[in-house]
Amino acid sequence: DQQVKQNSPSLSVQEGRISILNCDYTNSMFDYFLWYKKYPAEGPTFLISISSIKDKNEDGRFTVFLNKSAKHLSLHIVPSQPGDSAVYFCAAFLSGTYKYIFGTGTRLKVLA
Amino acid sequence: DAGVIQSPRHEVTEMGQEVTLRCKPISGHNSLFWYRQTMMRGLELLIYFNNNVPIDDSGMPEDRFSAKMPNASFSTLKIQPSEPRDSAVYFCASSFSGRNTIYFGEGSWLTVV
Repeated sequence: DQQVKQNSPSLSVQEGRISILNCDYTNSMFDYFLWYKKYPAEGPTFLISISSIKDKNEDGRFTVFLNKSAKHLSLHIVPSQPGDSAVYFCAAFLSGTYKYIFGTGTRLKVLA
Repeated sequence: DAGVIQSPRHEVTEMGQEVTLRCKPISGHNSLFWYRQTMMRGLELLIYFNNNVPIDDSGMPEDRFSAKMPNASFSTLKIQPSEPRDSAVYFCASSFSGRNTIYFGEGSWLTVV
């Protein structure tokens, strides 16, 4: 039973265009969400996060949007660069617990 | 500023052999996690320690898997006996309770033949 779902296993985008990665969750109690980026042969690294009291958080080229009513979040990368090619994991967290629930990941390929 | 350190980075072993993976969390972190990455299930939480105490091991696949954290700076994940279906990347991660970001090591790539 996947509580956090990334339904697109892969995505290809042209350099300079927008990349949109999507994530859905089932538990409305989750109150913090994170995106991690993973290059081959490396561990996941933290990218950006958002609290459930917000609907948007921006950090440079990366913006995360949260739609609580739809239990949906998305990561926008603008403009996309070849160095952004990696696997992106979204994760959900419930404050006061320890559990970070990860999705299965989306492999982004940015074409030069 | 050292991150989470895992060893070995790569391990190839024969079915039936014992495998021990090691982890040194970030200094000062009091939460430690072991995750397994597979194509089908993504990042699965195997076990979680808080202040060196195992809090939740419900993700451990079966009795062949065991984990220990004898002190705040060291943890092991052991598989005995290993099977080919255990082949995966095993990640250790740590965090400070109350902070909402966890930090991963570079992973241990296990192949059981």
